[in-house]
Amino acid sequence: AQSVSQHNHHVILSEAASLELGCNYSYGGTVNLFWYVQYPGQHLQLLLKYFSGDPLVKGIKGFEAEFIKSKFSFNLRKPSVQWSDTAEYFCAVKTGYNQGGKLIFGQGTELSVKP
Amino acid sequence: DTGVSQDPRHKITKRGQNVTFRCDPISEHNRLYWYRQTLGQGPEFLTYFQNEAQLEKSRLLSDRFSAERPKGSFSTLEIQRTEQGDSAMYLCASSLIRGRKFNEQFFGPGTRLTVL
Repeated sequence: AQSVSQHNHHVILSEAASLELGCNYSYGGTVNLFWYVQYPGQHLQLLLKYFSGDPLVKGIKGFEAEFIKSKFSFNLRKPSVQWSDTAEYFCAVKTGYNQGGKLIFGQGTELSVKP
Repeated sequence: DTGVSQDPRHKITKRGQNVTFRCDPISEHNRLYWYRQTLGQGPEFLTYFQNEAQLEKSRLLSDRFSAERPKGSFSTLEIQRTEQGDSAMYLCASSLIRGRKFNEQFFGPGTRLTVL
């Protein structure tokens, strides 16, 4: 079955701390992976995506993620978080063309950054 | 604003009533998806359209749910005889598919449904 698992439900960090959010997926086909962010009161926005090529992908606002095929992982990282990074973060895998290209999301990780 | 829009943003209804939500995708996007998000969970797929054709419905979509995209532009999601378990955020997303090449899905702000 296709699934995405995010290890941390709630992460609390101080400003300038480093961030790593875990994401593991289970999907048998070609993997397209995403991280979305939802700031308080706002809609889901794309942070970054991996389709193919370099497994280290860079996104907006200083975020990056590394696709490790052998570990079925796509962890999100940021070297130094800011208070404005407080949000909920969702990892997702996109199903293939024959499955409609729908997104399967993890349960989300709430990040709280203390000023 | 050229993003995905949804209306209404909030809906409070009594159990047993019917509700209808509307989604306006980004112009020229041929794919439209509906997802549902409950508290503490990620969005879950409900159904999707390629132009006006509804191509897949999740098992989450009971017979009380119906979705349409009559002219391949906006879409509506109707829930009949609402139940308290229907309380959730209903999200719409659109994307452009060319051949077998996908582009990212853009999400609307969602409609938050509360069933009393």
